[in-house]
Order: sequence, then structure tokens, then C-alpha cells
Amino acid sequence: QQQVKQSPQSLIVQKGGISIINCAYENTAFDYFPWYQQFPGKGPALLIAIRPDVSEKKEGRFTISFNKSAKQFSLHIMDSQPGDSATYFCAASMNWGAGSYQLTFGKGTKLSVIP
Amino acid sequence: DSGVTQTPKHLITATGQRVTLRCSPRSGDLSVYWYQQSLDQGLQFLIQYYNGEERAKGNILERFSAQQFPDLHSELNLSSLELGDSALYFCASSPKATGLGYNEQFFGPGTRLTVL
Repeated sequence: QQQVKQSPQSLIVQKGGISIINCAYENTAFDYFPWYQQFPGKGPALLIAIRPDVSEKKEGRFTISFNKSAKQFSLHIMDSQPGDSATYFCAASMNWGAGSYQLTFGKGTKLSVIP
Repeated sequence: DSGVTQTPKHLITATGQRVTLRCSPRSGDLSVYWYQQSLDQGLQFLIQYYNGEERAKGNILERFSAQQFPDLHSELNLSSLELGDSALYFCASSPKATGLGYNEQFFGPGTRLTVL
């Protein structure tokens, strides 16, 4: 059972446009929602994260919108640049206690920003 | 560079064989996580160790095992390999939990395993 559903699978955006990636989760025990960015040949790297008691978080051109009642969250990339071309993963974290935080990932969105 | 190192970078082996993947966490990090990344399943959590002890288990097959040594490096052992085990294997590390919430996981560059 996939606990975090991500869409779209791939996305092509023109330079300067807005990229939007959506995720939905099922388990209300998730208590932290990070987004990871992965470039080819590299490991995922944390981009931005949000707690469920906050509806929006902005860091530079990257914004997370969070809808707790709908169990949905999304990543918006403003003024998208060719350097943003990467695979983006949403994730949900669950605290298992005693320092254990298990991450459940969406299947990823391959973003291509064309000049 | 996340500070997490993984060796080897690439590994090609045959079905039925056994391999060991190695991970060195960031300096000072006590937790090590292992993930499998395949095209159809995405990133799947396998197992977590904290200061030498197993803390959490995900979708890890019985043919797979891991351990964390006193110097905090970790090894993932994959045995009786099958074609379907071909994937990228990532290790991540995180610092000691502060109790304030989520601990960021820092991912290594991964080991690409190809089973022929």
C-alpha cells in the first residue's frame, strides 16, 4: 500500500514558469513533511520541509502548501530555472520514538525546465 | 557533498551471489538508514541503526541484513541475489535526536548494484 502518492510523474516547464508538484498521504500519524531534490548520479538532498500545524512555508523560490484536512501538500517552484531540473520527492516522516524517524517517499517527479 | 560516503560506487555481480555495501555516516551522526531505489518502487526504507542497535525495519527482505559497527560505519549485506535486486542503494545518516522533532537525513551518493 503506497502511503504517499505523488503527481505528476514528469513535468516540463518553461524557464520563468511555476512548477507545481502534488502529494497526498493517508496515515495521520505522519508528523513532518520534507521535500527532497535529487540530481542524476547523486543522493537525495533536503530542499524544504513543513510541519502539519503550518499551512505554508516559503524558502526563496520554493514554497510548500499544506492542507491538513485534505491530507495533501504541494511544492511550488517560482521562476523555475534550468538548474532546477531534477527529480523531486515528497516524503512523510513518522516518529517511532527513541530517535527513530521513518521516511516514506512518494515515487518522484522528474522536472525538466526548458530555456 | 553531504559528508556521507558509500563504497563501492558500482557493483556488478551474478544471481545467487552475496555482496556487502559499506556506508560511513557524517562525523558525529549516530543514526544510519538504508534505502533501496528502483524505477518501479521508488525510494524504499529498508532499515535503521542507532549507535549500533537496530531501531526500525521497513521493507527489508530476509535475504538482506545490516549492522552498525562501534566506529558507526554500517554495512548492508545482500545474499542469494536475484535480478530484481538490481537497484541503487542509499545510505543516510542523521544526528542525535533532540526530541524537538524531525531529524534531517543526509544521503550518500549511493551504490548502484547490477545483478546479471
